Amino acid sequence: AQSVTQLDSHVSVSEGTPVLLRCNYSSSYSPSLFWYVQHPNKGLQLLLKYTSAATLVKGINGFEAEFKKSETSFHLTKPSAHMSDAAEYFCVVKERNTGKLIFGQGTTLQVKP
Amino acid sequence: DGGITQSPKYLFRKEGQNVTLSCEQNLNHDAMYWYRQDPGQGLRLIYYSQIVNDFQKGDIAEGYSVSREKKESFPLTVTSAQKNPTAFYLCASSMKASGGNTGELFFGEGSRLTVL
Repeated sequence: AQSVTQLDSHVSVSEGTPVLLRCNYSSSYSPSLFWYVQHPNKGLQLLLKYTSAATLVKGINGFEAEFKKSETSFHLTKPSAHMSDAAEYFCVVKERNTGKLIFGQGTTLQVKP
Repeated sequence: DGGITQSPKYLFRKEGQNVTLSCEQNLNHDAMYWYRQDPGQGLRLIYYSQIVNDFQKGDIAEGYSVSREKKESFPLTVTSAQKNPTAFYLCASSMKASGGNTGELFFGEGSRLTVL
């Protein structure tokens, strides 16, 4: 069975410093991976997706993620945090046989002024 | 504007009462989903529907029911059989089942249910 593990439940950074949100996946074949963002009391929005094309994926709002098969990782990064980036972030894997999306536990990003 | 509308945004219920959460989309999407979100647990799939008049149970369907009589509507009923209904409920839709090739779901803003 496929799964994702978000290694940090909470990350705190200062505005203007880099962001790193970590995600490891478990899959016996090349997965489809996604990052979604959720602002407080809102729905989720797709940030970016990896579907076996380029391993470095660029998303919205300056975020990007790199697929590393050898490390089974799909970490989300941003060079410089903005206050508006404060939100919850979910790493998601798509099950190959059912197409179902499996969500990680989420990482809360706090951005300090 | 196209999107997904959930109502009500906040709902309070007494134990033993059934409540229905509304979800309407004008994106002309075929597939619709209901998720439950609890703190620290990510999202869990309750029910999904790939086409009108058809729906399937997700991972935590017990105590919930749905209908899909119209393409644009997918209401969720939280019944008295649901033992711990207090949660944030999210409705989503996608062009094709399972988000199609893109895996992209479009979400509503959620309904927060509190059982008193």
